Amino acid sequence: DAGITQSPRHKVTETGTPVTLRCHQTENHRYMYWYRQDPGHGLRLIHYSYGVKDTDKGEVSDGYSVSRSKTEDFLLTLESATSSQTSVYFCASSRSGPLNTEAFFGQGTRLTVV
Amino acid sequence: EDQVTQSPEALRLQEGESSSLNCSYTVSGLRGLFWYRQDPGKGPEFLFTLYSAGEEKEKERLKATLTKKESFLHITAPKPEDSATYLCAVTYGQNFVFGPGTRLSVLP
Repeated sequence: DAGITQSPRHKVTETGTPVTLRCHQTENHRYMYWYRQDPGHGLRLIHYSYGVKDTDKGEVSDGYSVSRSKTEDFLLTLESATSSQTSVYFCASSRSGPLNTEAFFGQGTRLTVV
Repeated sequence: EDQVTQSPEALRLQEGESSSLNCSYTVSGLRGLFWYRQDPGKGPEFLFTLYSAGEEKEKERLKATLTKKESFLHITAPKPEDSATYLCAVTYGQNFVFGPGTRLSVLP
């Protein structure tokens, strides 16, 4: 199994505060992704990275930013958390782009914005 | 409109009762279709990739098939440990989209 870990696993934060979620992978995968999962919507791509310092927006990127300074780490920042960002966030990684190979997912971070 | 749908939304089976889950897509230029399994409180786990109509993949009690408009995940003689949400995802153009999933419960 690919080694991919997320931290924290659970977080409660107040509206308007910045929040950073961390993802770490040990497989030397080039591609990394952040998804959110909400009832009725399934998994939706927020941002993805195709290399160190190379990132691009996904379907639901508004209000989120990402950074990737090392191959193994991918950070997701909620610049000013809102209640609509209450969700379960999943990080994933893959050897090559999403078009070709399967992705390996972390265990998820449950974020509650109050 | 490009879309990925799954049916049924939820399915309850008795142990040993075979059935199929459906993933339908209306996208142009399909490049691949993926099946994942997700257990409660965990991230999705990869099962299969299918690339062209007529392709089939098998793993234990699961068999995935692909046509030009849909994919089926056949579950033969399921066991309670097969209970999970099954997600399909498609890649087309530069896009990668998940369906909403089918929640499967297998009762002993």
